[in-house]
Amino acid sequence: GNSVTQMEGPVTLSEEAFLTINCTYTATGYPSLFWYVQYPGEGLQLLLKATKADDKGSNKGFEATYRKETTSFHLEKGSVQVSDSAVYFCALSESMYSGGGADGLTFGKGTHLIIQP
Amino acid sequence: GAGVSQSPSNKVTEKGKDVELRCDPISGHTALYWYRQSLGQGLEFLIYFQGNSAPDKSGLPSDRFSAERTGGSVSTLTIQRTQQEDSAVYLCASSYALLETQYFGPGTRLLVL
Repeated sequence: GNSVTQMEGPVTLSEEAFLTINCTYTATGYPSLFWYVQYPGEGLQLLLKATKADDKGSNKGFEATYRKETTSFHLEKGSVQVSDSAVYFCALSESMYSGGGADGLTFGKGTHLIIQP
Repeated sequence: GAGVSQSPSNKVTEKGKDVELRCDPISGHTALYWYRQSLGQGLEFLIYFQGNSAPDKSGLPSDRFSAERTGGSVSTLTIQRTQQEDSAVYLCASSYALLETQYFGPGTRLLVL
């Protein structure tokens, strides 16, 4: 079956530090890959996505590149802010298109990110 | 426009009682999904609807769980004879169509005493 593995944290960084959150996946087909973010007290929001190998998703200064050869989709940001403090979820869908496959998303456990001023 | 809404936002119930959780998807979204978020299990997919139809119910944790959707819009997730292990946040998401990006509601936090 499908699975997603990511570092659980908490990950604590200082403001303006470089961020990497690792995510690797196992899938039987050709998944679409996603990063969702959950800010304190809020619902899950789509941060970025990539639907095929070598695609790069980007949003709000965050980037992730779909690496089929290493089955990875690591999240990066060059300079984090206190407002980036949240829980980040890596997810996959077996859809060949923009995502949200018929059998639902498979999520990692989530990484709690804490940014200190 | 309005996002996905869920009600109630919080529910405390006694073990053995039945509960109903409601989801209002984004207007025009034909696909609707239910997930459960708990400390031990993370985010689990439960069931999806295309229109009013749920083709695969195998993700529901037990036969105490059921879901329905009427009029291609509102969906209810019902848990019968609740158990303490049912305590979790129940999330609903909708998408314009199957294979499109899912947008999540704020969730219903269920506590079974």
